Amino acid sequence: DTAVSQTPKYLVTQMGNDKSIKCEQNLGHDTMYWYKQDSKKFLKIMFSYNNKELIINETVPNRFSPKSPDKAHLNLHINSLELGDSAVYFCASSQIGLVSNEQFFGPGTRLTVL
Amino acid sequence: DAKTTQPPSMDCAEGRAANLPCNHSTISGNEYVYWYRQIHSQGPQYIIHGLKNNETNEMASLIITEDRKSSTLILPHATLRDTAVYYCIVRGFQGAQKLVFGQGTRLTINP
Repeated sequence: DTAVSQTPKYLVTQMGNDKSIKCEQNLGHDTMYWYKQDSKKFLKIMFSYNNKELIINETVPNRFSPKSPDKAHLNLHINSLELGDSAVYFCASSQIGLVSNEQFFGPGTRLTVL
Repeated sequence: DAKTTQPPSMDCAEGRAANLPCNHSTISGNEYVYWYRQIHSQGPQYIIHGLKNNETNEMASLIITEDRKSSTLILPHATLRDTAVYYCIVRGFQGAQKLVFGQGTRLTINP
């Protein structure tokens, strides 16, 4: 069973479109994250939710809107896609208070904006 | 979060120990050292973490200097599957701490 899953794995779309990426974790964790890895391979945090509440919001354009319907899901909706949004997006989860406090990452969603 | 410095790349022969250094001279007293790795095109994977004592698990060992300004990740018997980018990250332990990734070290295991 996949611990952190993302759909779709690949997403190719035109500039100006709106798209969503879904993330689900079956680890029972209370915290979920979105990271972006650009073409230069830098990984940066975008958002984090704890028990469905937004707790980390880095400097991300308003076109990006995360939504957490429950603790096991954190979706990322992107409006008016731009060329610069092309990247690999990783979802992660963790359980606050665990000994290691490690984050478990999903396989990534490669977004290509044409 | 404290900044870390790692060599951009390293090579190691299969079966030998891979020693990956990391400098974190501005680490504060309540910050831990974490190591993650990213195998090509996959999501990052947690390896190990420590505060001030040396740590060992089934994947690796972590040696932290007494002044905590640097550390070394040791993969005791490297295999081809250990080829990856290794990230040394310093962060607090409490709450939902974001991971701040640097450039990491690209480790290549050669047959």
